[in-house]
Amino acid sequence: DVKVTQSSRYLVKRTGEKVFLECVQDMDHENMFWYRQDPGLGLRLIYFSYDVKMKEKGDIPEGYSVSREKKERFSLILESASTNQTSMYLCASSIPTGVSISPLHFGNGTRLTVT
Amino acid sequence: QKEVEQNSGPLSVPEGAIASLNCTYSDRGSQSFFWYRQYSGKSPELIMFIYSNGDKEDGRFTAQLNKASQYVSLLIRDSQPSDSATYLCAVSSTLGRLYFGRGTQLTVWP
Repeated sequence: DVKVTQSSRYLVKRTGEKVFLECVQDMDHENMFWYRQDPGLGLRLIYFSYDVKMKEKGDIPEGYSVSREKKERFSLILESASTNQTSMYLCASSIPTGVSISPLHFGNGTRLTVT
Repeated sequence: QKEVEQNSGPLSVPEGAIASLNCTYSDRGSQSFFWYRQYSGKSPELIMFIYSNGDKEDGRFTAQLNKASQYVSLLIRDSQPSDSATYLCAVSSTLGRLYFGRGTQLTVWP
């Protein structure tokens, strides 16, 4: 079974802090993704990566950055946390495919609260 | 922004009934379609994926895809209280990304 591990289940940070959310997958997947999930808004893509040192902006990248120095690890960085970044953050990974894309495998999520 | 619309719900069915969940999408180039189940406070877990027009069955679950109508559905037969969850429809874009609907909350009552 694919295992996607997010470093923290719950996190409380103060406004203005720099926050790191870590994600590690153990199945040698090339593709990794960061989503946030908010009530009524569903899952929204923040950033994704198809390879080491490669990153692409998703639909809501503002206020976030990412780092992928190793294939198995994809980090999400909140440069200066704000209260509107309070959310559930979900990391996911998948294998690359051709025309049809493969399913995403999600981590357990990190519920971040910014006060 | 690609649109993925799901019937808003909540949907409530008795135990043993068929639950029908529907999803429409805007990107005609979409090739891959997924249904995820999400229990409250948990992360989404994959139930079904479908790539070709028609039906695909897996146990009590059937996914139906109609690309001409840009419509995908999930049928749950013999619904159980343990099926009570939010069901997310996800559709690929022509750029290889997944777009998610906002989910349909299903309650199966005994």
